[in-house]
Amino acid sequence: QVQLVQSGAEVKKPGASVKVSCKASGYTFTGYYMHWVRQAPGQGLEWMGWINPNSGGTNYAQKFQGWVTMTRDTSISTAYMELSRLRSDDTAVYYCARSHGTGGVDYWGQGTLVTVSS
Amino acid sequence: SYVLTQPPSVSVAPGQTARITCGGNNIGSKSVHWYQQKPGQAPVLVVYDDSDRPSGIPERFSGSNSGNTATLTISRVEAGDEADYYCQVWDSSSDHYVFGTGTKVTVL
Repeated sequence: QVQLVQSGAEVKKPGASVKVSCKASGYTFTGYYMHWVRQAPGQGLEWMGWINPNSGGTNYAQKFQGWVTMTRDTSISTAYMELSRLRSDDTAVYYCARSHGTGGVDYWGQGTLVTVSS
Repeated sequence: SYVLTQPPSVSVAPGQTARITCGGNNIGSKSVHWYQQKPGQAPVLVVYDDSDRPSGIPERFSGSNSGNTATLTISRVEAGDEADYYCQVWDSSSDHYVFGTGTKVTVL
């Protein structure tokens, strides 16, 4: 069965960086885009961008350009999302999620809580 | 950038029908996907490509899309349908995904 398993919760200080991992199993990792979506406490879903695991190509939401980096390691079917220069309002649950091309997102990771606090 | 607007909340009695709208400029020309999110859980896809259901999603969930409004309809609402619902499209002009503002469905 398809599974996306994310790394554990993180606590970071303002100005630091965080890297969240997402290990995929149960399907061909390179056959689906991997998206990153975040949700601040009590807020809605915010799309951050996607990576094409086959080519490594990325597409970031304008808000996150220059600030987020999405990578992947096909040898271990794992995608990564690194967010730099963290601020307190980056405190959120970060999800990885896959789609087939530009279709709906059909599987989600369990989410990773990133807390930014001094 | 493309904007999707949803009502903040919808209330419905058990057994009745809930309709959640998602407004966007000429959204009828796009494929709309809907997600259900319960507290503390990851979202779940309940309708894709305007009106198709993933396996395991009850037939009570249906969707439509025309003009400037897409609609998720939940028939014979149950207490377990209480959740936040989000619409989502792919905006071809920016090659970006866009989520709606979200609607909290309350079962009275």
